Amino acid sequence: GDSVTQMEGPVTLSEEAFLTINCTYTATGYPSLFWYVQYPGEGLQLLLKATKADDKGSNKGFEATYRKETTSFHLEKGSVQVSDSAVYFCALNRPEPGNQFYFGTGTSLTVIP
Amino acid sequence: KAGVTQTPRYLIKTRGQQVTLSCSPISGHRSVSWYQQTPGQGLQFLFEYFSETQRNKGNFPGRFSGRQFSNSRSEMNVSTLELGDSALYLCASSLENSFYEQYFGPGTRLTVT
Repeated sequence: GDSVTQMEGPVTLSEEAFLTINCTYTATGYPSLFWYVQYPGEGLQLLLKATKADDKGSNKGFEATYRKETTSFHLEKGSVQVSDSAVYFCALNRPEPGNQFYFGTGTSLTVIP
Repeated sequence: KAGVTQTPRYLIKTRGQQVTLSCSPISGHRSVSWYQQTPGQGLQFLFEYFSETQRNKGNFPGRFSGRQFSNSRSEMNVSTLELGDSALYLCASSLENSFYEQYFGPGTRLTVT
């Protein structure tokens, strides 16, 4: 079945460090791929998305490229800030009909000053 | 535009009881999905409703059920509560198909004692 595997955490980085959180997926067809972020005590917020192969999603300095050949959607940011501390979830939404999202287990990121 | 709202935000119930959670989607969104989030299992898909019909269902026992009303508001019900049902229940709404991201509510924290 469809699934998402993402890098285990927790991850601790110093401010201005480079961030990579790995995400690979298994899916039939051509899913859409997403990164969501969850701040403490809040629900999930969409960070970025890509709907087809080679698309690059970007937002707030974060980027991820939909790589069909390696079934990956790794999240990157060149210079993290303390405010980026949160849990990050990789997700796929399999092709229609309907919506059925599969989420990774989440990667906790802590950025220290 | 108002976001996804969930009520109540916190709930404490006793084993064996039943509970109903409510979700109001973003205006214009007809797809509503429910997820259970626990530290051990991460985010697990419960079901999706679209135009008052259950369109997709995850691997949860029949004690978990839901429905959607004509105004797209949705409820989920858990009967005969077990300790393991303690979790954060998240509702998400989206436009019709898999190309669109889901917007999450803040969740309902259910504690079963």
